[in-house]
Amino acid sequence: DSGVTQTPKHLITATGQRVTLRCSPRSGDLSVYWYQQSLDQGLQFLIQYYNGEERAKGNILERFSAQQFPDLHSELNLSSLELGDSALYFCASSVSPTPGQPQHFGDGTRLSIL
Amino acid sequence: AQKVTQAQTEISVVEKEDVTLDCVYETRDTTYYLFWYKQPPSGELVFLIRRNSFDEQNEISGRYSWNFQKSTSSFNFTITASQVVDSAVYFCALIPVGYGNKLVFGAGTILRVKS
Repeated sequence: DSGVTQTPKHLITATGQRVTLRCSPRSGDLSVYWYQQSLDQGLQFLIQYYNGEERAKGNILERFSAQQFPDLHSELNLSSLELGDSALYFCASSVSPTPGQPQHFGDGTRLSIL
Repeated sequence: AQKVTQAQTEISVVEKEDVTLDCVYETRDTTYYLFWYKQPPSGELVFLIRRNSFDEQNEISGRYSWNFQKSTSSFNFTITASQVVDSAVYFCALIPVGYGNKLVFGAGTILRVKS
């Protein structure tokens, strides 16, 4: 158990809909990361937060947004969903955003778009 | 450009065989970190090891060992006396220091250990 909690584990929805994925980092970790794992793109970094502030962005679509709340949990919002958004979405956390800090991953949320 | 290449898409071995998973990386940064993660069939990503670019000592942890060679930009992972529970997808990843703390993953190697 990594200590990172992601909910829900599975999500099935339709094209055009909006969903929110939730992540609680390990106790003591201040930095949260979101990654997408898909068959065609592999594991890709989406966005990073540190202590409530956006720290870095990767290949995140404009239809996707995220935030980190004062209690350090984070939410990833995906809107106007398309079939290609079907993927496993991971949240990870680390103590700080310092490069090289090991990131510990949650179990992921599997999103299926019908 | 930052890139990690895991040329072996899938490896099958019989239990108790040794197996090496290859990882080659590219980065212009002189300071960087390398990682291995394991993704078992249940789907979670499990952190295995971190190495920084200044530490070329090989590391051994039980049946696992890692061989880091800067001269060939490789960070290979060997499992000795493989077991069925080692069956998983293994990912090599890179963080160049100038790139923040964003993991750049390879495509992964599927390891199947048969009894």
